[in-house]
Amino acid sequence: GIQVEQSPPDLILQEGANSTLRCNFSDSVNNLQWFHQNPWGQLINLFYIPSGTKQNGRLSATTVATERYSLLYISSSQTTDSGVYFCAVERNTGKLIFGQGTTLQVKP
Amino acid sequence: DSGVTQTPKHLITATGQRVTLRCSPRSGDLSVYWYQQSLDQGLQFLIQYYNGEERAKGNILERFSAQQFPDLHSELNLSSLELGDSALYFCASSSTGTDTQYFGPGTRLTVL
Repeated sequence: GIQVEQSPPDLILQEGANSTLRCNFSDSVNNLQWFHQNPWGQLINLFYIPSGTKQNGRLSATTVATERYSLLYISSSQTTDSGVYFCAVERNTGKLIFGQGTTLQVKP
Repeated sequence: DSGVTQTPKHLITATGQRVTLRCSPRSGDLSVYWYQQSLDQGLQFLIQYYNGEERAKGNILERFSAQQFPDLHSELNLSSLELGDSALYFCASSSTGTDTQYFGPGTRLTVL
């Protein structure tokens, strides 16, 4: 099956810093989503981005499908950005395969 | 708010018991998915339904079963519960079955 690897596993930032999270996947996919799991456990959709670049406020994402990776950029980080960021992919099966996540802590 | 609702939010029960988790998809979504998040296994796909029919199955235990009803809500039944079944169970929905999945708030199951 498809393997999904996220890096780094953990990240600690000072408020206001920028960061880049990476997601590598082992096969072609037709769906790639980024999620933020907040400290209360909620999984929040950030992007649906099987290819190309999207931006939403301080967050943006780029997926290079031909090279099988996706990047999530967080600019001017805030303490509310803390939590776990997941990348998940799907290949015509309906089931999302999740990476192990990147745990982000933003310090005031 | 994703528009996907799950009940109950928390459930505490004993080993050997049976529980039912309920999910209502976003309005208009035909597909429902169930996922399990545990500390050791991470987030894992369990099962997908599309318009009442089972479409895909993951590593779902035989003690677990699900169904999607004509009004499109879904239930996940967990029986003969074991300590290792303690986890956060998410329901997600999508409109076509291969597009963006929106996740509910989850049901936290604790088996004592």
